[in-house]
Amino acid sequence: NAGVTQTPKFQVLKTGQSMTLQCAQDMNHEYMSWYRQDPGMGLRLIHYSVGAGITDQGEVPNGYNVSRSTTEDFPLRLLSAAPSQTSVYFCASRRTSSGNSYNEQFFGPGTRLTVL
Amino acid sequence: KNQVEQSPQSLIILEGKNCTLQCNYTVSPFSNLRWYKQDTGRGPVSLTIMTFSENTKSNGRYTATLDADTKQSSLHITASQLSDSASYICVVSGGNAGNMLTFGGGTRLMVKP
Repeated sequence: NAGVTQTPKFQVLKTGQSMTLQCAQDMNHEYMSWYRQDPGMGLRLIHYSVGAGITDQGEVPNGYNVSRSTTEDFPLRLLSAAPSQTSVYFCASRRTSSGNSYNEQFFGPGTRLTVL
Repeated sequence: KNQVEQSPQSLIILEGKNCTLQCNYTVSPFSNLRWYKQDTGRGPVSLTIMTFSENTKSNGRYTATLDADTKQSSLHITASQLSDSASYICVVSGGNAGNMLTFGGGTRLMVKP
């Protein structure tokens, strides 16, 4: 299994440009999510999905869109990039929790985005 | 507000020495607590996961403890190696919105020869 894969690894954008960060997993996990990691701060949840066709907002959703047309893929779209979106973005997946289960969450390698 | 605080923010130790990282949380209701290791330029990788009823869990040279009464956890690293140099992140699952994850800011550990 490749696990969770992300592309690209690095990206530089100009303010106002749009782009899509790709994320895929081959573990048949229902739950997928996107986080951003900024220096000195914990990972913050942007959007998540509990299954194909279902998405929801996390803690910091503004400026980002997601879709989940298949179980495997969960792309993150930046509609009009801003310098405040300069960050490292991580995609993650896990089996859906039931009750008090603690399904392990697997992270991708990250995408380092710089917005000028 | 659900919060996870880690200390120290950074730590330098000599190879072969032991160290202990701390995590305090205010997440309620509590579901489970996880410790992750994040190497530079990589995604976090799970070390341990503990539920309310578990007060210690080991993974090789890593031992995590949990005191659910005081809402504190620690990660003890024994006989450190250069490859232990990384950030260690404490993550608590729970809260009123279900099993959402609240991440600590991490402790950056550097092991020197």
